[in-house]
Amino acid sequence: NAGVTQTPKFQVLKTGQSMTLQCAQDMNHEYMSWYRQDPGMGLRLIHYSVGAGITDQGEVPNGYNVSRSTTEDFPLRLLSAAPSQTSVYFCASSYIGPGSSYEQYFGPGTRLTVT
Amino acid sequence: GIQVEQSPPDLILQEGANSTLRCNFSDSVNNLQWFHQNPWGQLINLFYIPSGTKQNGRLSATTVATERYSLLYISSSQTTDSGVYFCAVGTNYQLIWGAGTKLIIKP
Repeated sequence: NAGVTQTPKFQVLKTGQSMTLQCAQDMNHEYMSWYRQDPGMGLRLIHYSVGAGITDQGEVPNGYNVSRSTTEDFPLRLLSAAPSQTSVYFCASSYIGPGSSYEQYFGPGTRLTVT
Repeated sequence: GIQVEQSPPDLILQEGANSTLRCNFSDSVNNLQWFHQNPWGQLINLFYIPSGTKQNGRLSATTVATERYSLLYISSSQTTDSGVYFCAVGTNYQLIWGAGTKLIIKP
């Protein structure tokens, strides 16, 4: 199993540009989420999904969109990049159901810089 | 919302030393996890421990839910233990993260 994969690893955008961060998992997990991590801080939840076709907002959703058309994929779209969105973005997934330990598996992260 | 405080913020130890990291949280939770972020940025889940005690090798964790705190113990530290340790708490799958404890193990 590849686990949770994220592309790209690094990205530089100009203010106002849009882009999509890709996340995929091959563990058949229902729950997937996107976090951002700013220097010296813990992670903050942007959006999450509990299954295909179901998404909801986390702590810091403004400026980001998500969709979940399949169990495997959960892309994060930046609509109009701003310097405040410079951060490291992590995607995570987890199994939902009887016996779930809520353990979250993380991708390697995408380092985004907006100039 | 739930507040999460971790202490100490920084810890520098010699190899072989033991350490205790603390996580205080402000409300009842049914999900508490400890994570290690290595110097390359990779996040690894160490424990899911909303209550009770667990051990995994040199690491162990205890959560006293009624008093709203959790402790992570690292014994016989190795240089590979360096990194940032995060506590994350919440209800079900939505986690609120502390700011972390940065641990440096010197050889």
